Amino acid sequence: ILNVEQSPQSLHVQEGDSTNFTCSFPSSNFYALHWYRWETAKSPEALFVMTLNGDEKKKGRISATLNTKEGYSYLYIKGSQPEDSATYLCAHNTGNQFYFGTGTSLTVIP
Amino acid sequence: NAGVTQTPKFQVLKTGQSMTLQCAQDMNHEYMSWYRQDPGMGLRLIHYSVGAGITDQGEVPNGYNVSRSTTEDFPLRLLSAAPSQTSVYFCATQPQTGTALGYTFGSGTRLTVV
Repeated sequence: ILNVEQSPQSLHVQEGDSTNFTCSFPSSNFYALHWYRWETAKSPEALFVMTLNGDEKKKGRISATLNTKEGYSYLYIKGSQPEDSATYLCAHNTGNQFYFGTGTSLTVIP
Repeated sequence: NAGVTQTPKFQVLKTGQSMTLQCAQDMNHEYMSWYRQDPGMGLRLIHYSVGAGITDQGEVPNGYNVSRSTTEDFPLRLLSAAPSQTSVYFCATQPQTGTALGYTFGSGTRLTVV
């Protein structure tokens, strides 16, 4: 079992603030790193897939970076909005299996 | 295009009862899997299948059974429900294992065993 850790566990920010959170994973057996956005009572939806060390992906106000050598990925949200409130989940894809973190729960206060 | 369909959405069982959680996909994905999600824990893999006729155990397979007779369907059977199986269950599919392609998730089944 490969431990994937996310921090912080939860986060409250004011509308308009920028924020970031971390996903750390074992650097061995790396195939891809996936970020998902998971709203309450819904299913996780894919945000990013990253495969190469130094990868940076961006979708609107959300971006992510990847460091496979040290085993971490950052997710950034610029100018948080209430609709960004969700749990952000990362998964380490070894090619054979996905290993999920426990997620970072983000609440954006209007 | 329905994607991944899970039924039922909610279920309450008594200890010792059996039931089947259904997962169906219409995307011709080879890989299908079942996860459970419990408070404070990440999604944990129960069973998975890389194609019709092939299944394998994940991290927490005890008390569950699966089969994959068609590409589209991957039912999860609880043989004799226990309170420890109270959880939210997600079916997740992938076009092909061994790729960087992500999962598509079903909407989840919330199961309570009393």
